[in-house]
This record gives sequence, structure tokens and C-alpha cells, in this order.
Amino acid sequence: EVQLLESGGGLVQPGGSLRLSCAASGFTFGRNAMSWVRQAPGKGLEWVSGVSSSGGSTHYADSVKGRFTISRDNSKNMLYLQMNSLRANDTAVYYCVRHVFCSSATCYNPNGWFDPWGQGTLVTVSS
Amino acid sequence: EIVLTQSPATLSLSPGERATLSCRASQSVSSSLGWYQQKPGQAPRLLIYDASNRTTGTAARFTGSGSGTDFTLTISSLEPEDFAVYYCQQRSSWPRTFGQGTKVEVK
Repeated sequence: EVQLLESGGGLVQPGGSLRLSCAASGFTFGRNAMSWVRQAPGKGLEWVSGVSSSGGSTHYADSVKGRFTISRDNSKNMLYLQMNSLRANDTAVYYCVRHVFCSSATCYNPNGWFDPWGQGTLVTVSS
Repeated sequence: EIVLTQSPATLSLSPGERATLSCRASQSVSSSLGWYQQKPGQAPRLLIYDASNRTTGTAARFTGSGSGTDFTLTISSLEPEDFAVYYCQQRSSWPRTFGQGTKVEVK
């Protein structure tokens, strides 16, 4: 069974930093692109960042570009999101997602659909 | 950035009724549109990808259609477990974007 388990969320002050982690299991992690998607309390979904299977290609939403960094360690089956210069409007549940049904036969690049989703980790930015 | 506009915001229906949800893109996304279902307190789940393909485990009562800028998710006969929020999403261009969601609630 494919599982994604996020951790690292919590309360942080504006301007602070936090690193989220996602432990993947049940599939060949190093062959799948991955992304982070967030959801502010009571709001809709916002894609945040995506990374290729090798980690060599990354994409970011404009709202986080220059502040967040996505990375992965394929030897540990781990996905990360380093979040710096956090703002109140970064408050959200952050979901780790796998890419599936990509444009090519393989999902090396983050151009697929999001499935499955982890259970999410809550990040609260407040003083 | 491609903006996805979902309508209506809320759909109030009874079990057994047909639900029709709309998603309109600000520019063509070809068939690169998907639908997700989210129940309270749960993570979203992919239902439909590439406009009309059901994922394994998506019931046959869910049908996706459309191409270009206009898309529809139809639930032929609502079951109790179908009352949830539905989001459309495009993967045609960066950044990936979602619609604001349609809540299907019990009338």
C-alpha cells in the first residue's frame, strides 16, 4: 500500500523557518516525481512546489518562490520542504503528494496528477 | 496563470439525485483537467484524470467530460458518501492551479 506520512509542522513566528518532511513507502520512491500542496484553514487547495524523481528539476508557486525549497533523498525515501521567511498567510495544512498518470509512461517529471495524498501537517505562522 | 472557476459554489441535492458540477478554465487546457473529492477532515482523493478517466476505485456513477475550457463532473445518482467538496485542477501549465471548489450538500 502506498503511504505518505508528513511531519515537521507546528507553530512558528513570522519570519521564522520550518522544515517539513514526508516519508514515503509502498512504491519505488526514486521513480516518482513529488509535490507539496497546501490548504489554508477553511479554504481551497494551492499547489506549492514540485520536484522531479532525481531532484534535478524543481517548480514553485510564485507565492513561495525564493522562500521555500523542495528537495528529496531517494536513499531514504524522503521528501522535504524547507520554508524560510514564513508569513501569516503561509498558515495551512501541507500535503505531500505523489505524481501519477504523467504525460509520459513514467513519472520522472512532475507533470502528473496527485495521488495519493498524505494526511497533512499543520503549519501555523503567528506571533 | 490559468484560473479555474467552478460553479456552483454549493449544490444542495438529495440522495438519488443527479449532480452536475462545472469547471471553466481561463484558457484552453486541452484535456489536462482532473477532479478531486475531499470529505471533512480528510485529504483530497483523485477521482478523474485527463478530463474523463476514472481512477481505480472511483465508482462508475462519476463521469468527467469536456475539453478546452469547459468541463463537467456528473454524479448520476448521489450516494450518501458522495456529499463532499469537489475540486478541479489543471496540469496544462505552470503553476498547477485548482478551482475554488463546489460543495455538494444534503438538501
